[in-house]
Amino acid sequence: KNEVEQSPQNLTAQEGEFITINCSYSVGISALHWLQQHPGGGIVSLFMLSSGKKKHGRLIATINIQEKHSSLHITASHPRDSAVYICAVLPGNQFYFGTGTSLTVIP
Amino acid sequence: GAGVSQSPSNKVTEKGKDVELRCDPISGHTALYWYRQSLGQGLEFLIYFQGNSAPDKSGLPSDRFSAERTGGSVSTLTIQRTQQEDSAVYLCASSPGLVLGETQYFGPGTRLLVL
Repeated sequence: KNEVEQSPQNLTAQEGEFITINCSYSVGISALHWLQQHPGGGIVSLFMLSSGKKKHGRLIATINIQEKHSSLHITASHPRDSAVYICAVLPGNQFYFGTGTSLTVIP
Repeated sequence: GAGVSQSPSNKVTEKGKDVELRCDPISGHTALYWYRQSLGQGLEFLIYFQGNSAPDKSGLPSDRFSAERTGGSVSTLTIQRTQQEDSAVYLCASSPGLVLGETQYFGPGTRLLVL
């Protein structure tokens, strides 16, 4: 049983489209992270959430603690957004990761 | 400024040998994390340090794995008697404070291949 489920697994979008990636988790958490892994393997932390909503540029992340669900939105998607997006939750002293959503944005 | 660095960037070893992987966190960062990512698999949390102390070592895959951190800075992850299933990218990250779950800054990883 995976504590963290992401959907979709793969996503292809046209440049400019609005994109939503979902993360559901089954454990109580103190924080949730969204990470971006570039095709070359480098990982960047996008957001850390414990409640509500955060926005950075074209990226928006929301979390609903009661429903154990988070979404990552990308507005006006661009080919440089192509990457794997990973959700990670922190229920205690360990992180649990989703399997990632592979996003490809086509020009 | 300098980011998180890891060495070596690539390591090929024979089954049964010991390996040491090194992580240099961002200067002044108190927390340090180790993860691994096997080929085609997701990220797996191994261990984290608050200062020089690791509060929970239960994420380490087996007793062949150990980690230490000295001087609140450099950390080494040691794998003894390596097995082929240890082949993976080992990632290190650091964050500024003592609060687990803060935004982390990731290193480029060490690619380990056990033959």
